[in-house]
Amino acid sequence: DAKTTQPTSMDCAEGRAANLPCNHSTISGNEYVYWYRQIHSQGPQYIIHGLKNNETNEMASLIITEDRKSSTLILPHATLRDTAVYYCIVRVMDSSYKLIFGSGTRLLVRP
Amino acid sequence: GAVVSQHPSWVICKSGTSVKIECRSLDFQATTMFWYRQFPKQSLMLMATSNEGSKATYEQGVEKDKFLINHASLTLSTLTVTSAHPEDSSFYICSARDGTGGGWAYEQYFGPGTRLTVT
Repeated sequence: DAKTTQPTSMDCAEGRAANLPCNHSTISGNEYVYWYRQIHSQGPQYIIHGLKNNETNEMASLIITEDRKSSTLILPHATLRDTAVYYCIVRVMDSSYKLIFGSGTRLLVRP
Repeated sequence: GAVVSQHPSWVICKSGTSVKIECRSLDFQATTMFWYRQFPKQSLMLMATSNEGSKATYEQGVEKDKFLINHASLTLSTLTVTSAHPEDSSFYICSARDGTGGGWAYEQYFGPGTRLTVT
């Protein structure tokens, strides 16, 4: 699986949009981009995933660049409960179903 | 939504003893379960993949004789840390894959984790 690069930490004000970047310049054509988050001392939570097109669900939006070398996770109106470590993962949809976690971005939402 | 539980949520054991951690899928059948370990301020490290009814596949560098994994049913996997030592103290997290549903999006659901402290 391709590796990802994320900033170590970010912060944003409560109520504002949080934009979390992820670089995956070596991504292959059959690899998806997944985002998970982990609130302190809990198990990871699935957020969103995509292949080429931008995706949106009730939690977030995922913007993937046309060349697929990078993506941005957008939390449109961050709340204090969104403070967590956010992991960007690229993986092939194969029978192993493995998720390999990188170091992630620690997002702090300020009141 | 799909729920995965772990038991216990935390455990303290003495050095040299063994401790068992359970991972259960509460409302779906988990054909595959995964075990991760996480040290403080670090990311999750995949330890092994277990498929129901077969032997677990361990990641490179993980001692299979020390971390015994059993996946005897479609809703239960167990991780036994044998002859535990203080360096085994960590946060252990399992995830489960719903093998009966369609689609790829929600293939892994994570448990809440078990904090192991070895004294």
